Amino acid sequence: QQQVKQSPQSLIVQKGGISIINCAYENTAFDYFPWYQQFPGKGPALLIAIRPDVSEKKEGRFTISFNKSAKQFSLHIMDSQPGDSATYFCAASKGTYKYIFGTGTRLKVLA
Amino acid sequence: GAGVSQSPSNKVTEKGKDVELRCDPISGHTALYWYRQSLGQGLEFLIYFQGNSAPDKSGLPSDRFSAERTGGSVSTLTIQRTQQEDSAVYLCASSLEQSNQPQHFGDGTRLSIL
Repeated sequence: QQQVKQSPQSLIVQKGGISIINCAYENTAFDYFPWYQQFPGKGPALLIAIRPDVSEKKEGRFTISFNKSAKQFSLHIMDSQPGDSATYFCAASKGTYKYIFGTGTRLKVLA
Repeated sequence: GAGVSQSPSNKVTEKGKDVELRCDPISGHTALYWYRQSLGQGLEFLIYFQGNSAPDKSGLPSDRFSAERTGGSVSTLTIQRTQQEDSAVYLCASSLEQSNQPQHFGDGTRLSIL
């Protein structure tokens, strides 16, 4: 019940396309859902986060869609750029507590 | 301001040796977390410190792993009698105490056990 399932494991998108990464969770007590971006040799960096009282949050080209009834949330990267090529992790937590991370999606955006 | 700082950035050691990994959290962050990231894998929770409360050690994989946090700031993760399966990147994160505050990560220590 603590797992967060992330898909796909890897994703290749053409420049200008839309990248979509999906996550699903079981524990309805989770109340914070961040997405992190990680470049090789670097720590994960917070990209965008959402709370379950909101169905969508947009920051620039990045949007989180949240479906509370389905216990799913997704990251959409609009107008994907080669500089977006990185590994993306979804996570879930309850309050100020440990994150349960998804297994990551390696995104490659072709120039 | 300064982010989370971890040292060393890389550590190579022989099997059976002890290692110490250091984390300097963001100033004012009372919550501190250690995670482990194995090659090509997700992040695995190890231990969590919150203020003066007893740490949550539920993620430590064996009794060879321990961590302390002195003065509510700097933390040290110690691995005794290292094994090859301990090879991974060890990441530290910190956050404010309030609920739903994002965790900010350092760049990690890449540990290689020969």
